[in-house]
Amino acid sequence: GENVEQHPSTLSVQEGDSAVIKCTYSDSASNYFPWYKQELGKRPQLIIDIRSNVGEKKDQRIAVTLNKTAKHFSLHITETQPEDSAVYFCAAIRSNMLTFGGGTRLMVKP
Amino acid sequence: DARVTQTPRHKVTEMGQEVTMRCQPILGHNTVFWYRQTMMQGLELLAYFRNRAPLDDSGMPKDRFSAEMPDATLATLKIQPSEPRDSAVYFCASGLWGGLDEQYFGPGTRLTVT
Repeated sequence: GENVEQHPSTLSVQEGDSAVIKCTYSDSASNYFPWYKQELGKRPQLIIDIRSNVGEKKDQRIAVTLNKTAKHFSLHITETQPEDSAVYFCAAIRSNMLTFGGGTRLMVKP
Repeated sequence: DARVTQTPRHKVTEMGQEVTMRCQPILGHNTVFWYRQTMMQGLELLAYFRNRAPLDDSGMPKDRFSAEMPDATLATLKIQPSEPRDSAVYFCASGLWGGLDEQYFGPGTRLTVT
């Protein structure tokens, strides 16, 4: 089955700095890579996603890059704000089966 | 704004008791997923359904867990008998098979087994 590794497990940045979270996956047939943000006590919510036929996607301060050859994808958050503090999960999907990474706890210090 | 709903939101029960968690997927979605989240294991897929048929429940301890979809608007996850190690947040998610692949999560049921 699919295996998704996510790094780092915790990340602390100063407000205004950039944050980068990286994931690798094992199944080359995976074709959809969502990122979820989970605030304390809340449900995971999709913040951005990318499909296997695209190398990069951007939505305001958030961007995701995908390298299919190397089987890794990354989340980039620029100009971080305190409200970006949360746990972020990457995932890889193959045939509707979603496998999550272990999560990254992002702390943005004001 | 369509959302996945789950009940109950919190459940505290004693070891050995039966626990039933319910999920109402977004109307029109044909896939339903059950996940368990713990600090140690992260988010684990327990089971999922497509068009109400169970497709994969390999992540679920079969001796005590069961998942069903009695109709298109209700999915249930039962634990009998419950054990302290079952304490976790259980999320239901729904989506469209063959669609955009996005899964929408419910608010979760926080289960505590004492």
